[in-house]
Amino acid sequence: EIVLTQSPGTLSLSPGERATLSCRASQSVGSSYFAWYQQKPGQAPRLLIYGTSNRATGIPDRFSGSGSGTDFTLTISRLAPEDFAVYYCQQYDRSPRTFGQGTKVEIK
Amino acid sequence: EVKLVESGGGLVQPGGSRRLSCAASGFNFDDYAMHWVRQAPGKGLEWVAGISWNGGGLGYADSVNGRFTVSRDNAKNSVYLQMHSLRTEDTAVYYCAKGPEEQLVLAWLDPWGPGTLVTVSS
Repeated sequence: EIVLTQSPGTLSLSPGERATLSCRASQSVGSSYFAWYQQKPGQAPRLLIYGTSNRATGIPDRFSGSGSGTDFTLTISRLAPEDFAVYYCQQYDRSPRTFGQGTKVEIK
Repeated sequence: EVKLVESGGGLVQPGGSRRLSCAASGFNFDDYAMHWVRQAPGKGLEWVAGISWNGGGLGYADSVNGRFTVSRDNAKNSVYLQMHSLRTEDTAVYYCAKGPEEQLVLAWLDPWGPGTLVTVSS
């Protein structure tokens, strides 16, 4: 099983600041097989990025994804008030599909 | 609008069984694989199972393999998760989610249903 480790666990930032979230895989993951999700309290997760760097429908361009091999990054260029949430990475290169443990982006 | 709605959650005793359903609308259901993902209270996400467009491809997490069975009825636009031998650690919100293609190869999940809570407790 591919283990995904997200860092940091919590990111404390102010609106307008840049957020950089990391996800490290225990084995190499193909770039077509990596995604990011956002989850707000009491809600289902929402797809942000698939295939490492492709924004899902309706996702603002302040969200971007990058990476390859074992290191992947989600960047939020300027945090909007609605971006404070928990973010999960996911690999679907190998079964079982696995998620990271999440990074919480909180208001500083 | 693509919509997924889960049902069937509730309180179950350890060792018991439960069947979850997910009703889909707003897209050609039999063109897409479907998945189940769960989230224990206050915890992260765990992929549970996936099923290809015609049921010919199946996948399970090790933690549920042999106890859970995923199936679908394309005539009813529904996917199911039959759960047996439930354990306290199976307590979670169970989400169904749509895959991007017929098979299970590409498995980003979009959208997700609101989820249904299964509580395993005596």
